[in-house]
Amino acid sequence: DAGVTQSPTHLIKTRGQQVTLRCSPKSGHDTVSWYQQALGQGPQFIFQYYEEEERQRGNFPDRFSGHQFPNYSSELNVNALLLGDSALYLCASSSGRFQGAGGYTFGSGTRLTVV
Amino acid sequence: DQQVKQNSPSLSVQEGRISILNCDYTNSMFDYFLWYKKYPAEGPTFLISISSIKDKNEDGRFTVFLNKSAKHLSLHIVPSQPGDSAVYFCAASVTGNQFYFGTGTSLTVIP
Repeated sequence: DAGVTQSPTHLIKTRGQQVTLRCSPKSGHDTVSWYQQALGQGPQFIFQYYEEEERQRGNFPDRFSGHQFPNYSSELNVNALLLGDSALYLCASSSGRFQGAGGYTFGSGTRLTVV
Repeated sequence: DQQVKQNSPSLSVQEGRISILNCDYTNSMFDYFLWYKKYPAEGPTFLISISSIKDKNEDGRFTVFLNKSAKHLSLHIVPSQPGDSAVYFCAASVTGNQFYFGTGTSLTVIP
């Protein structure tokens, strides 16, 4: 049973460019959440997708956008990249939007470096 | 504004002894609390959770304690094993939706 799959593993982009990160949720999961983890920090919530719609959003600018497809996979898009966008981007999947007791299943992340 | 704080960046413990990892939070509306464990080059792995209606939850060697009046959460690992060496994150949520994570504590268990 495959867990959460993220691609690519690593990515180097130039300031001002745009990037797309991809996530396939764990089998049986229908909700995808994206987190940004800067060096030395804990993961920070970007947004959550359920039923192909953005359901909740953290404190991130509109440069960060996403999409969820009918097969529950998801993309995270970041426009006009800044040096400060360099981070590990984690995708987390769950069955349903509310994960009090069970938590998420996280992927291994995409390491984005902006130069 | 850091709503969940882990004030100890690192902790070293001898194998077989108890490891105690601490976490403080500021939002009294948080009602779900989780601990995640993270190895290098891997995503965080869910470890144990507790809801605000409880003050203790136990799963094998892992026990989480919640002190709502002090807004304090702790994870006890007994006995500690070398394989427990990892970064531990606590996380909190209102209704189990968006989670707020602490900055992590790196645990090293010395054989």
